[in-house]
Amino acid sequence: QLVLTQSPSASASLGASVKLTCTLSSGHSSYAIAWHQQQPEKGPRYLMKLNSDGTHRKGDGIPDRFSGSSSGAERYLTISSLQSEDEADYYCQTWGSGIRVFGGGTKLTVL
Amino acid sequence: EVQLVESGGGLVQPGGSLRLSCAASGFTFSTYWMSWVRQAPGKGLEWVANIKDDGSEKYYVDSVKDRFTISRDNAKNSLYLQVNSLRTEDTAVYYCARDLGAGKVYWGQGTLVTVSS
Repeated sequence: QLVLTQSPSASASLGASVKLTCTLSSGHSSYAIAWHQQQPEKGPRYLMKLNSDGTHRKGDGIPDRFSGSSSGAERYLTISSLQSEDEADYYCQTWGSGIRVFGGGTKLTVL
Repeated sequence: EVQLVESGGGLVQPGGSLRLSCAASGFTFSTYWMSWVRQAPGKGLEWVANIKDDGSEKYYVDSVKDRFTISRDNAKNSLYLQVNSLRTEDTAVYYCARDLGAGKVYWGQGTLVTVSS
């Protein structure tokens, strides 16, 4: 079964960097994923597509502070030079056999 | 500019029905898979259904099978979700999204469905 696992919460200081993790279920380590951001009281925003080899393609207007990387079944979203507006929920999402799957989301707090 | 604009949400009693619509512009609608995603109050994103570019394939999350129907009209650049036999747990903001697969994703602003007596 295709499942994405995310930690429920993360925190980091203003100006620092943070690395969020999304883990693919067993047997699905080659899958690409997408990262989406949802700021408070707003709709989701597409950040990037992230392949198993770490290559990624960002959405429109996404700053260079956002980057992606991969290792095995883990997919990462790194946000550098944290700003207050980066405080949001971050969802990973993947697809296969017609279905789409979201992770449970990580709530990022900027201290 | 890609735009997705949902409409059709509202307050409905349990057991009732609604038809959600998503008007697309700024891209060649007929060449993209389209999806519906929902978010219950205080919860995460949940994929609901998607439909292939030509409408020939449709997929649903188990919890809505036999109650919800996704469709599209490529001549009108529109995506639909017919929601029947609504339950209180279907209360959510419903978003349409372009291509939650290999391509670049775009999201609409959402439409709220509230199921309550």
